[in-house]
Order: sequence, then C-alpha cells, then structure tokens
Amino acid sequence: SQQGEEDPQALSIQEGENATMNCSYKTSINNLQWYRQNSGRGLVHLILIRSNEREKHSGRLRVTLDTSKKSSSLLITASRAADTASYFCAAFSGSARQLTFGSGTQLTVLP
Amino acid sequence: KAGVTQTPRYLIKTRGQQVTLSCSPISGHRSVSWYQQTPGQGLQFLFEYFSETQRNKGNFPGRFSGRQFSNSRSEMNVSTLELGDSALYLCASSLDSDSPLHFGNGTRLTVT
Repeated sequence: SQQGEEDPQALSIQEGENATMNCSYKTSINNLQWYRQNSGRGLVHLILIRSNEREKHSGRLRVTLDTSKKSSSLLITASRAADTASYFCAAFSGSARQLTFGSGTQLTVLP
Repeated sequence: KAGVTQTPRYLIKTRGQQVTLSCSPISGHRSVSWYQQTPGQGLQFLFEYFSETQRNKGNFPGRFSGRQFSNSRSEMNVSTLELGDSALYLCASSLDSDSPLHFGNGTRLTVT
C-alpha cells in the first residue's frame, strides 16, 4: 500500500513558471522526503523535512509540511526544461522503520 | 564517491525461472533497501537490510528474498518468476533507514 498520494498526477507548465506538487500521507511520520526520477533511471533525493519542521528551502525548491493535515507540498520556482521528471514524496514512519512512496507527479516543463 | 551500482541493467527471463539481482551500495552505507516499481503499483517496498540482517520486509510473497554480505553488498532473488514480476527493481543505500536514500539506476526485469 502507498503511504503518500500526490496531486496532481501530471502537470505541464512553461519554462520560467513555478510548479507546485502536493502530497498527502496517512500515518504519523518522522520525516518526509522528496525525490525526482528521470525516465528509466533511479530516484534522486531532493530534500528531507523533519516532522518538527514546517518549511525548508534548497535552491529553487521549497517544501512545506503540515503534520495536522498530514500533507506536504513541493514548490519548484523558475522551472527549467531540465526539471521535467517524475516527482515522488516519501514518508518515513519511525514505528514501521519504513519509507513509503507516493504515486508521483509527472512534471513536464515546456521550453 | 562511487554511487549505487546495480547489475545487470536489463534481464529477460521466462516464467518459472529464478533470477538474482545485485547491488553495491555507496561505501560506508550499511542500510540497503529494495523497491519494485511498476506502472500500476508504483514504488513498492520489498525489504531493507542493515549490517547483514533483514530489518524490515514489505508485503511480497516468499518468492522474493534477499541477503546482505559483510561488505554491505546485497542481492535479491526471485524464484518461480511470474509475468507480474516484470518491473524495474531499484536498490538504494543509506546511512540508516531514516536517512535519504541513494538509488541505483535499477534492473529492468522482463518475464515472458
């Protein structure tokens, strides 16, 4: 079963625009992570936010976490064609000691 | 530092056969996790090994097994292959299970 569900499933934007992806999860977590996957490749870790944090930045990435709503969002600012990929959230449950991935958002950035 | 290496990159097997996939983690990483990725089910957790011990297991049948060696390298084995086992199998290493995962590029298994 998947811990996280992502919204939207697919997103198409123009270069330079911002992209926002949302993630919801089901159980208590220790941290939430975001990954990117280019077609046919492995996942690349983008950012980790701990359950006691509300917002985190890394370059053009901004992640928020709302544990009361069990949700997180990933914002990519000033998107580039190279940002085209699938983005996954992954929730880590300390009790289960397991990282469970969401269904992913396919982002397409048009030049 | 070398990344996570998975071999082979592609594999074609027939139903009923068995297969062994290999994963070499990043040096110093003691946790190795395996995931199955399919279009329909997404990324599904198979198991995690830490210091040669299976620390966690997902909801897969006993046909799926794995092990970890003293140098942290890991293998997973699937016996009596079924068509539904066709997937991208991803290995990831990390310092510990709550740390960011570093993924290999996967083994694409096709069962015919």
